[in-house]
Amino acid sequence: EPEVTQTPSHQVTQMGQEVILRCVPISNHLYFYWYRQILGQKVEFLVSFYNNEISEKSEIFDDQFSVERPDGSNFTLKIRSTKLEDSAMYFCASSSQDRGKNYGYTFGSGTRLTVV
Amino acid sequence: GNSVTQMEGPVTLSEEAFLTINCTYTATGYPSLFWYVQYPGEGLQLLLKATKADDKGSNKGFEATYRKETTSFHLEKGSVQVSDSAVYFCALREGGGSQGNLIFGKGTKLSVKP
Repeated sequence: EPEVTQTPSHQVTQMGQEVILRCVPISNHLYFYWYRQILGQKVEFLVSFYNNEISEKSEIFDDQFSVERPDGSNFTLKIRSTKLEDSAMYFCASSSQDRGKNYGYTFGSGTRLTVV
Repeated sequence: GNSVTQMEGPVTLSEEAFLTINCTYTATGYPSLFWYVQYPGEGLQLLLKATKADDKGSNKGFEATYRKETTSFHLEKGSVQVSDSAVYFCALREGGGSQGNLIFGKGTKLSVKP
């Protein structure tokens, strides 16, 4: 069964450093998403991406965050200057149709980001 | 705004016990409702869904019924197994042509002991 792959599974970084979280969505999917879960809290929507541009983003997704699909297979989330409160599990997801028509997101297993 | 509230965990049960994980929601319009499961070390997997009132979603022995009158979507299983140990997330998405994304509850960790 096709999978969404995320790397690394765990990343530790110092406050103020830049991090890039990587995701390989399912190959024929067109819609891509990032969600995050701070420990003990809800899974929260960050951003959705379609046709090489952001289609929607939440209040969490401020100027410190950016997304890119650099090569047609990877989908990355960059945090420019990490803060302690960015420590969370970050989930990538993809779907073959927009959330309005396809209920079947496929999620990756997540990257646990720890900012120290 | 839209929100999902699910029962606090962890929930610890013996094998073959009956499981209920409560989930209630607040939403404008007519959302679709979901249960996702996360097994240790794995991603979020769709367990079941319901798209309109009175629909029952079911999968792997789990069931949940979309109750509009009580704004609930409680997850149930008649006889749990050790392999059901996981974190379960209730979620909603606004229906129709809206711009809604998935809105999750906090998750409920289930541990099933042999």
